[in-house]
Formats: sequence, structure tokens, C-alpha cells
Amino acid sequence: EVQLVESGGGLIQPGGSLRLSCLASGFTFSSHAMIWVRQTPGKGLEWVSYISGSSSSRYYADSVKGRFTISRDNGENSVFLQMNNLRDEDTAIYYCARDDLGIKFDFWGQGALVTVSS
Amino acid sequence: DIQMTQSPSSLSASVGDRVTITCRASQRIDRYLNWYQHKPGKAPKLLIYAATSLQSGVPSRFSGSGSGTDFTLAITNLQPEDFATYYCQQSYNTPPWTFGQGTKVEIK
Repeated sequence: EVQLVESGGGLIQPGGSLRLSCLASGFTFSSHAMIWVRQTPGKGLEWVSYISGSSSSRYYADSVKGRFTISRDNGENSVFLQMNNLRDEDTAIYYCARDDLGIKFDFWGQGALVTVSS
Repeated sequence: DIQMTQSPSSLSASVGDRVTITCRASQRIDRYLNWYQHKPGKAPKLLIYAATSLQSGVPSRFSGSGSGTDFTLAITNLQPEDFATYYCQQSYNTPPWTFGQGTKVEIK
């Protein structure tokens, strides 16, 4: 059974940093690209970042480019999102999801809540 | 960036009804269109991929149609567990991959 479990969320002041982790199980982790998607309060879903299985390709939404960094450890079956210089508008539930052949996001985690507030 | 526009933003329906949600892309995306169901506090769930293919384990009352710029998600015989928010998402070409703004299906 495919499982994705996020951790690392919390309350952080504007300008601060936070690192989200996503632990995967139930599939060959290195064979799949992974993504982060967020849901801001009262709004819909926004794709945030992508990393290929080998980490050779990484992409970011314009809203986080230069502040967020995606990485992965295939030996630990984990993907990470380092979030720096956080802003109020980064407050959201952050989901990791598995990318299947660049066509669909077929499995998602339950999400990690990040609240940016002074 | 490709913009995805869903309609309606919300709808009220009864158990047993048939509902349809539409999604329009700002440019042609062939059939690179997925549909997700999202309930509060839960992980989003993939329902339909590549516009018309039913994801494994998803009930057959869900169906998708369309290509190019216009797409539809249909739910027949609406069940209590189907009350949720539904999102379309395009996976055409390179990022950014974008979602529609969502359609909330509520109980009438």
C-alpha cells in the first residue's frame, strides 16, 4: 500500500525557515518524481515544487522560487521542502504527492499545516 | 501559464442525482487533464486521469470527458460520500501544473 506521511509543519514568524519532510512507503521511491502542493486558507490547490526521481530536474512555482528548495533522499525514501524567508501568504496545508509519469499525481499525503504569523 | 477555469464554483444536489462539473483550459492541453476529490482534513484523491481514464479503485459512477480546452466530470447516482470539493488539473508539457479553483458539491 502506498503511503505518504508529511511532517515538520508548525507556527513560524515571517522571515523564518521551516523544513517539511515526506516519508514514502509501499513503492519504489527512486522510480517516481515527487511534488509538493499547497492549499491556502479558503482557497484551492496550488502546485509548489517538483523533483525528478534522480533529483536531476527540479521546478518551482514563481511564488516560491528563490525561497523554497526541494530535495530528496532515495536511501531514506523521503522528500523535503526547505522553506526560507517565509511570508504570511505561505500559510497553507502542504501536501506531498507522487508523480506518475508526469501525467498524474496519484497518491497524496494527509498534509502538514504551516502557519506564518507574528 | 495555463489557466484552468471550473464551473460552477459550488452546487447543491441530492443523493441519487447526476451532477456535472466543467473545466476550461486557457489553451489546448490535448487530454492532459486530471480530476481530484478533496474532503477537509483528508488527502486529495485522484479520480480521473488523461481526461477519461478512471483511476484504479474509483467507482464507475465517476466519468470524465473532453479534449483540447473543454472537459467535464460527471457523477451519476450521487452518494453521501461524494459530497466534497472537486478540482481539475492540467499536466500538459512542463510546469507549472495548474489547478482549477474547485467546485464544492453540497447536500441540498
